[in-house]
Amino acid sequence: DTGVSQNPRHKITKRGQNVTFRCDPISEHNRLYWYRQTLGQGPEFLTYFQNEAQLEKSRLLSDRFSAERPKGSFSTLEIQRTEQGDSAMYLCASSLSLGVTATNEKLFFGSGTQLSVL
Amino acid sequence: AQSVTQLDSQVPVFEEAPVELRCNYSSSVSVYLFWYVQYPNQGLQLLLKYLSGSTLVKGINGFEAEFNKSQTSFHLRKPSVHISDTAEYFCAVSDNYGQNFVFGPGTRLSVLP
Repeated sequence: DTGVSQNPRHKITKRGQNVTFRCDPISEHNRLYWYRQTLGQGPEFLTYFQNEAQLEKSRLLSDRFSAERPKGSFSTLEIQRTEQGDSAMYLCASSLSLGVTATNEKLFFGSGTQLSVL
Repeated sequence: AQSVTQLDSQVPVFEEAPVELRCNYSSSVSVYLFWYVQYPNQGLQLLLKYLSGSTLVKGINGFEAEFNKSQTSFHLRKPSVHISDTAEYFCAVSDNYGQNFVFGPGTRLSVLP
């Protein structure tokens, strides 16, 4: 399967612990996005990368959240000192940008990592 | 800033009946519009998109959507639904640089036998 892969599928942690999620995008895709989805809501944008550069971060991304894409391939999202409000599905998506005006942009989503903070 | 409204959180419909899922957006710039579907326990998949040109867009699985600029709407329609169409449907908008996708809250379509 050459789609977007996310690990782990599920993560249960205690409040105050740190967690890290991994996303492997489609190999030729240069853009990678992180979204958060809570029950009954649509995905909320967190951040995105163009290759290894993190180009935009949402205000939702507090200083406890950090994302990296060190080699422009896979990405990690780390949450430090988790809180119960962090419980959500964390989605990764990737796309192939054709340039500044990405007229054919299409997001491919992974199945997500479901985080439960107890 | 862009925003997306999906007024119907749940839409139950009988099999083979037509369905329309509503989507309205607001934006101060030109936008691209999308419908994504999320089947149970699966990731989001693109159904269709409007970038430019014809305002009637056809997508996969028999779905279509019509872009109405004056009403800032992009409603999704299917003339005859199947049980397998049961899923969560998300309308999304991005600016014309494709840098930021904003999703609506979703509409859960339940197709009843």
